[in-house]
Amino acid sequence: GQNIDQPTEMTATEGAIVQINCTYQTSGFNGLFWYQQHAGEAPTFLSYNVLDGLEEKGRFSSFLSRSKGYSYLLLKELQMKDSASYLCAVLDSNYQLIWGAGTKLIIKP
Amino acid sequence: TAGITQAPTSQILAAGRRMTLRCTQDMRHNAMYWYRQDLGLGLRLIHYSNTAGTTGKGEVPDGYSVSRANTDDFPLTLASAVPSQTSVYFCASSDLAGEGNEQFFGPGTRLTVL
Repeated sequence: GQNIDQPTEMTATEGAIVQINCTYQTSGFNGLFWYQQHAGEAPTFLSYNVLDGLEEKGRFSSFLSRSKGYSYLLLKELQMKDSASYLCAVLDSNYQLIWGAGTKLIIKP
Repeated sequence: TAGITQAPTSQILAAGRRMTLRCTQDMRHNAMYWYRQDLGLGLRLIHYSNTAGTTGKGEVPDGYSVSRANTDDFPLTLASAVPSQTSVYFCASSDLAGEGNEQFFGPGTRLTVL
């Protein structure tokens, strides 16, 4: 079966750094996405990785290791508005997105 | 531009009733998708369409049907609603289906089936 694992919930402090991990086992791999979803809202795109390594985009970075079936999203200089769920999704061999259940990130002052 | 719109925003429906959730995009995207999101589970693909005139089944298609008569519209129909179809439904679109193409999501429809 296909499986994507990420922690259910994490807590971090405003101004700090947090790393959200995602491990996956899927039938094929054509890239990994991270999305942000605020409560009651639609998911919005954050990043896409298809090759191993780190992709940096402002305060957010995403890392991929295809051999380990592992990715992480790194958020720096945390702000209160970063309180949201972060969704990891893998594009499988049929080019369909398989989604993790999401990690709820709580930012404390 | 509006991006993707969905209607209704929310709905309470009696079991056994027929219901169509509407989705319209103005980005001229080729691919469109319907997902359901349930607490504790990831988004699950119901149906998709890679281009106007074609549709395909996703992970959880039973009890749902779709059509794609034109590029902009992708309605989802529940022929006879059941309580297990209570969920938040998201419509999404992407320029193309496949590698690297981010999906843009509508605001969602919260459906309760009693």
